[in-house]
Amino acid sequence: DTEVTQTPKHLVMGMTNKKSLKCEQHMGHRAMYWYKQKAKKPPELMFVYSYEKLSINESVPSRFSPECPNSSLLNLHLHALQPEDSALYLCASSQDPSGRGSYEQYFGPGTRLTVT
Amino acid sequence: AQKITQTQPGMFVQEKEAVTLDCTYDTSDPSYGLFWYKQPSSGEMIFLIYQGSYDQQNATEGRYSLNFQKARKSANLVISASQLGDSAMYFCAMREGSPHTGTASKLTFGTGTRLQVTL
Repeated sequence: DTEVTQTPKHLVMGMTNKKSLKCEQHMGHRAMYWYKQKAKKPPELMFVYSYEKLSINESVPSRFSPECPNSSLLNLHLHALQPEDSALYLCASSQDPSGRGSYEQYFGPGTRLTVT
Repeated sequence: AQKITQTQPGMFVQEKEAVTLDCTYDTSDPSYGLFWYKQPSSGEMIFLIYQGSYDQQNATEGRYSLNFQKARKSANLVISASQLGDSAMYFCAMREGSPHTGTASKLTFGTGTRLQVTL
């Protein structure tokens, strides 16, 4: 099973709302990632969790709050977002957090977020 | 400076023909990996092929092959016998070496090439 699942597929939220994005993998991967992708642009790394600990935060605004409850789950909590935060949010996982070898990242289908 | 450069914003290829998507990279790290991903309009990033910096042979995966020229720092993707389903955005990405086991490494993506396969 090489699947990463993400829910919801689509999300529309107001600037005062609080919502969460969920990501799940059952491949035993020890690294999980959140990316943000604007239209016609490449994915931009936001956060990396390695062995359930936050390993990389790419200077993401605090209105985005990641959480890794266990090795299979990754959440992204959203609060007080801005319209410019509208994007496709992709979750990924990989077997080896160090990136040694050909441990590619497996991506989920993404959540299309619209902030109104 | 751009670490990954994809100079072709868009490419057209006829069905059953081969096509080469260009990718050049810049790193001073001796240990790195190069990846190609396909992103259809549905949004999911699909892993296609990997080339390690120490790999002696060019990687191949079915209809995909990677033309790795280390001295030129290029890692072009070759798709043979194009199919209509190959129409998508293609991203080249680089993972630079991480000195410590267990420390997460980062993947840097190029700007992508949109491939359109025509009849």
